Amino acid sequence: DAEITQSPRHKITETGRQVTLACHQTWNHNNMFWYRQDLGHGLRLIHYSYGVQDTNKGEVSDGYSVSRSNTEDLPLTLESAASSQTSVYFCASSRTGSGEQYFGPGTRLTVT
Amino acid sequence: DAKTTQPTSMDCAEGRAANLPCNHSTISGNEYVYWYRQIHSQGPQYIIHGLKNNETNEMASLIITEDRKSSTLILPHATLRDTAVYYCIVLPDQTGANNLFFGTGTRLTVIP
Repeated sequence: DAEITQSPRHKITETGRQVTLACHQTWNHNNMFWYRQDLGHGLRLIHYSYGVQDTNKGEVSDGYSVSRSNTEDLPLTLESAASSQTSVYFCASSRTGSGEQYFGPGTRLTVT
Repeated sequence: DAKTTQPTSMDCAEGRAANLPCNHSTISGNEYVYWYRQIHSQGPQYIIHGLKNNETNEMASLIITEDRKSSTLILPHATLRDTAVYYCIVLPDQTGANNLFFGTGTRLTVIP
């Protein structure tokens, strides 16, 4: 069955370190998204991609970057981790033109 | 993008219908109404969407008023597993942007 996976599921890192969170989907979806969710709050869009080599900034993109070299993967990089980036990160994908997004299980990131 | 307004929280007795309202008075003619839910610690899950006609699937029914300024998500026989935060999202037509803007949603608690 097609799926969307995230790794690692839990990560603890130190302030200033570079961190990369992986997202892999086997739906063959063109659209991929990264969100963050802080305790007790809704999801906020970080970056998104509508296809290979396409990336766009979302609502809270400062301090994050993504790259899309193939259809299946959209890794999220924190260039220099900050304590304010402690959060749960969700990856999602969807077909072109569809608002029906499939979400991964999330990565809980703690920056100390 | 049209904004949505939902009650912060609701309770529902197990086995009864849960009716979750959403106001989207500024919705435009080409915008769809989507519903997602997020069970604790999991990624959001798509439930249903519609444009102007009522919709039903295996999970829920969506009732959209004739003027399209509000809608109601109906879970016909709520179970304890339906306890979650429910998000009502308005999205431009399906050929446009697919970014979901999550608000704070309605926290539904199903009571035994």
